[in-house]
Amino acid sequence: EAQVTQNPRYLITVTGKKLTVTCSQNMNHEYMSWYRQDPGLGLRQIYYSMNVEVTDKGDVPEGYKVSRKEKRNFPLILESPSPNQTSLYFCASRGDTYEQYFGPGTRLTVT
Amino acid sequence: GENVEQHPSTLSVQEGDSAVIKCTYSDSASNYFPWYKQELGKGPQLIIDIRSNVGEKKDQRIAVTLNKTAKHFSLHITETQPEDSAVYFCAASIVPVYFGSGTKLNVKP
Repeated sequence: EAQVTQNPRYLITVTGKKLTVTCSQNMNHEYMSWYRQDPGLGLRQIYYSMNVEVTDKGDVPEGYKVSRKEKRNFPLILESPSPNQTSLYFCASRGDTYEQYFGPGTRLTVT
Repeated sequence: GENVEQHPSTLSVQEGDSAVIKCTYSDSASNYFPWYKQELGKGPQLIIDIRSNVGEKKDQRIAVTLNKTAKHFSLHITETQPEDSAVYFCAASIVPVYFGSGTKLNVKP
């Protein structure tokens, strides 16, 4: 089944404790992206990657890092999480048709 | 960068009625406008999209119109059903992608 998977689905952590949210797709898509969703603000793009080893900042990259060492994986790294990074995070991938396929989301709470 | 505004933020209709959601964008270079539907607890899913060389596109009960001159595009859902209840997002551009703030549609049986 074609899908985007994210782990973990739920995470509660404390300020400053480094964390990684994994994202994997099995559709051989070149483009992958991370978004955060906050009430009233819609989806805002954090980082995107056009291909392996190519990443670019989206609208809200501050406090986040990404890496794209393999085509299928695109982890999101929060080196020192803060409470304002409490949000719902989505990973997405896209093929040649521009349609984005979203993962199920990761709900992150930073206390 | 691009700025996408979406209205209304909430929309309540009776089953069988039509629903219209409107979006405006700021960058005249944007040439791709998708609409996504997000059901509770799930990621958004593409329902229809339109490219800038087309003024209207229809897929069964849903249609999208695009006015490039005015820089706005709209989603039309006819004969609404309770399963249409969800949050709908418009978006603009291909790389990067800019989303509207979302419209929560409630279809009352």
